[in-house]
Amino acid sequence: SAVISQKPSRDICQRGTSLTIQCQVDSQVTMMFWYRQQPGQSLTLIATANQGSEATYESGFVIDKFPISRPNLTFSTLTVSNMSPEDSSIYLCSVEAETNTEAFFGQGTRLTVV
Amino acid sequence: GENVEQHPSTLSVQEGDSAVIKCTYSDSASNYFPWYKQELGKGPQLIIDIRSNVGEKKDQRIAVTLNKTAKHFSLHITETQPEDSAVYFCAASLHGNQFYFGTGTSLTVIP
Repeated sequence: SAVISQKPSRDICQRGTSLTIQCQVDSQVTMMFWYRQQPGQSLTLIATANQGSEATYESGFVIDKFPISRPNLTFSTLTVSNMSPEDSSIYLCSVEAETNTEAFFGQGTRLTVV
Repeated sequence: GENVEQHPSTLSVQEGDSAVIKCTYSDSASNYFPWYKQELGKGPQLIIDIRSNVGEKKDQRIAVTLNKTAKHFSLHITETQPEDSAVYFCAASLHGNQFYFGTGTSLTVIP
């Protein structure tokens, strides 16, 4: 399994500001994903972070709001832009194992927008 | 796209009893079905998974069954312990390219 480190683990931000979340993996992985988990709810895929190309966004999520970087095979960032209280959530980084099936998750970033 | 439903949303069992969580999926092409355990303040942890060419898989006190015809799969935890208390998520995937998660089951094991 991959070891995934996410930073920050939590943050409280003012509305209108932006927060960048970092995800570092201890091995090279092809696929990295960003999920949102709203309070008491399930996980919703935001986008797939592709190394060397633009991220692929799911319906309801746009690049202007959630810009993603993937500079190499071990690192990705997700920015939550122009935040509002509705963006308060846990944001999770996930990677796919070499077997091309299993997905592993970081510990998440708990974001509160006030 | 795929739609995964999970029941029950909450489940309380006495320590030592069994717990069963059920999920259904809609896309017959899905071929990989993992289960995740999420403890408070942590990310989901993979606890067991099953692929579509297998009907049942067991790992100590945890087992998963898959019925491809009916498009449902279940998580079984036997001899439950207080440390099993957590939120459990099922998911369905096609080759791991995209995961669709159930809505979660909050399991409480009462000592």
